[in-house]
Amino acid sequence: SQKIEQNSEALNIQEGKTATLTCNYTNYSPAYLQWYRQDPGRGPVFLLLIRENEKEKRKERLKVTFDTTLKQSLFHITASQPADSATYLCALSRTYNNAGNMLTFGGGTRLMVKP
Amino acid sequence: SQTIHQWPATLVQPVGSPLSLECTVEGTSNPNLYWYRQAAGRGLQLLFYSVGIGQISSEVPQNLSASRPQDRQFILSSKKLLLSDSGFYLCAWSATGGMRNTIYFGEGSWLTVV
Repeated sequence: SQKIEQNSEALNIQEGKTATLTCNYTNYSPAYLQWYRQDPGRGPVFLLLIRENEKEKRKERLKVTFDTTLKQSLFHITASQPADSATYLCALSRTYNNAGNMLTFGGGTRLMVKP
Repeated sequence: SQTIHQWPATLVQPVGSPLSLECTVEGTSNPNLYWYRQAAGRGLQLLFYSVGIGQISSEVPQNLSASRPQDRQFILSSKKLLLSDSGFYLCAWSATGGMRNTIYFGEGSWLTVV
């Protein structure tokens, strides 16, 4: 069956360091992958999208890589700040079937950046 | 700009009571609409999606139903709530067409069934 795995344990890092979060998947051939941020008690907010033919995508302090051979995406936050503390979700596209933008979400990894 | 509203934000309901969560989207036409549920510490589970008025698809069998009476209105309902229905419910929308559309989420509704 299709599966998306994100580290369920919280990632604790020191302010200023680079945070790296991992998203692994099996039995998928996604056309694209997205990363979302979710603060406690709030809805997720879109951060970045990367397509299957892209190796890397950057946005300000964020960088996402997508390795379809390893079936893995890495999400990096450079020069991390306490305000970056949140849960980060990866989401994979399903096969498009005229039924909207179908995403399957991972369980998320909580990031804690300490000052 | 587009906005999404869902309500109520929090509710506590007894087992066996009915449920109605409402969601409206403004600033866009013919959006795809979604209801997700997030159990405590768990990932997002897609419950229903809709590509048009009256068109509802269910992802998982459950005690809930959804309706789309208007283009930008999406309603999640139950006739009799179960304890297992407790969770964080999120309404979301995306633009139609294309494979790479971002999903935009509402602020969520916390449901506790007691």
